[in-house]
Amino acid sequence: DAGVTQSPTHLIKTRGQQVTLRCSPKSGHDTVSWYQQALGQGPQFIFQYYEEEERQRGNFPDRFSGHQFPNYSSELNVNALLLGDSALYLCASSRQGAGTEAFFGQGTRLTVV
Amino acid sequence: GQQVMQIPQYQHVQEGEDFTTYCNSSTTLSNIQWYKQRPGGHPVFLIQLVKSGEVKKQKRLTFQFGEAKKNSSLHITATQTTDVGTYFCAGGVGNFNKFYFGSGTKLNVKP
Repeated sequence: DAGVTQSPTHLIKTRGQQVTLRCSPKSGHDTVSWYQQALGQGPQFIFQYYEEEERQRGNFPDRFSGHQFPNYSSELNVNALLLGDSALYLCASSRQGAGTEAFFGQGTRLTVV
Repeated sequence: GQQVMQIPQYQHVQEGEDFTTYCNSSTTLSNIQWYKQRPGGHPVFLIQLVKSGEVKKQKRLTFQFGEAKKNSSLHITATQTTDVGTYFCAGGVGNFNKFYFGSGTKLNVKP
């Protein structure tokens, strides 16, 4: 049973470019949350998708958008990249409902130069 | 806004010593989860606490959730070098799995 898989593992982009990160949730999970983890910091909640809709959002600008597909996989899109967007982007999947265990993927390390 | 504070930021211990990290929320939480992240790795789920005053143990690890559901702690007895990593608490808010992570406590264990 595959856990949460994310692609790519590493990515280097130039300021102003756009990036798409992908996440496949753990089998049986229907909810996907995205987090941004800057070096030395805790993960910061970006948004959560359930039933193909953005259900909750953290304090991130509209440059950050996402999508969830019928198979529960998800994408995170970031437009007009800034140097400050350099971070580890983590996807966490869970089953719908409060307080269920979240499983994290290994993350995508994004570097903006 | 919602904040989860975690202390200390760093902890260096000799192998065999105990270790504790504390987590405090500005608001009441629906639940709290604890994660461990090894250097270069991703957060790995350790445990979840839901009830007020709940205490759970996993071998040498003891987790507590405060009576007011605003604070939590993780205590490791007799640390081992395999305990090295950063420990995060994540406070759950509302009816969905939206979690606010603390800034983490980085544990270093000297053999």
